[in-house]
Amino acid sequence: DAMVIQNPRYQVTQFGKPVTLSCSQTLNHNVMYWYQQKSSQAPKLLFHYYDKDFNNEADTPDNFQSRRPNTSFCFLDIRSPGLGDAAMYLCATSSGTSGGYNEQFFGPGTRLTVL
Amino acid sequence: EDKVVQSPLSLVVHEGDTVTLNCSYEVTNFRSLLWYKQEKKAPTFLFMLTSSGIEKKSGRLSSILDKKELFSILNITATQTGDSAVYLCAVAAYYVRMNYGGSQGNLIFGKGTKLSVKP
Repeated sequence: DAMVIQNPRYQVTQFGKPVTLSCSQTLNHNVMYWYQQKSSQAPKLLFHYYDKDFNNEADTPDNFQSRRPNTSFCFLDIRSPGLGDAAMYLCATSSGTSGGYNEQFFGPGTRLTVL
Repeated sequence: EDKVVQSPLSLVVHEGDTVTLNCSYEVTNFRSLLWYKQEKKAPTFLFMLTSSGIEKKSGRLSSILDKKELFSILNITATQTGDSAVYLCAVAAYYVRMNYGGSQGNLIFGKGTKLSVKP
């Protein structure tokens, strides 16, 4: 089945130790998103790729970076995780052919714990 | 500033009850409104609404959009314990990205309504 896959599902890192979260998709969607969702809060968009074009949200900290080496994969790099970065990180994809307002399909998420 | 407001924030009902969840929005360049269901995992897509007054149905769930009054409702009839979840409303806003000249949508989420269905 076509899907959005995130690895790992759970990630534990130490304060300040870089961590990379991965997302892959078999939907062949040209848009990929990364969201941060803290407990009892709505998902907050960090950035997205439209094909290879990277689009950062204005309030996304510099500590968060992303890479998209090809259509299928997208990575979220947290260069120096702080305790406040502990959250669920959600990857989503959508087809951008209609101006990008099609439904987004979410992966299962990676729960990040920072010790 | 664009915003999406959901009400109530939480709701407790008994099995068999009918519930109505509300979502109001103030978003420039509105394109569509989406409902998601989130249990203890990632959101799963329920509905996308783009036109006013056209009800979308899926089993016991239905939703409708009013673009004049800027709100949507999600109805769940004959609720079951499996309906317990957080229901997220999101509005897709359309804007032009200057770096590549194309258009792109972005989802603005409400805080969600936590629905608990008691047996």
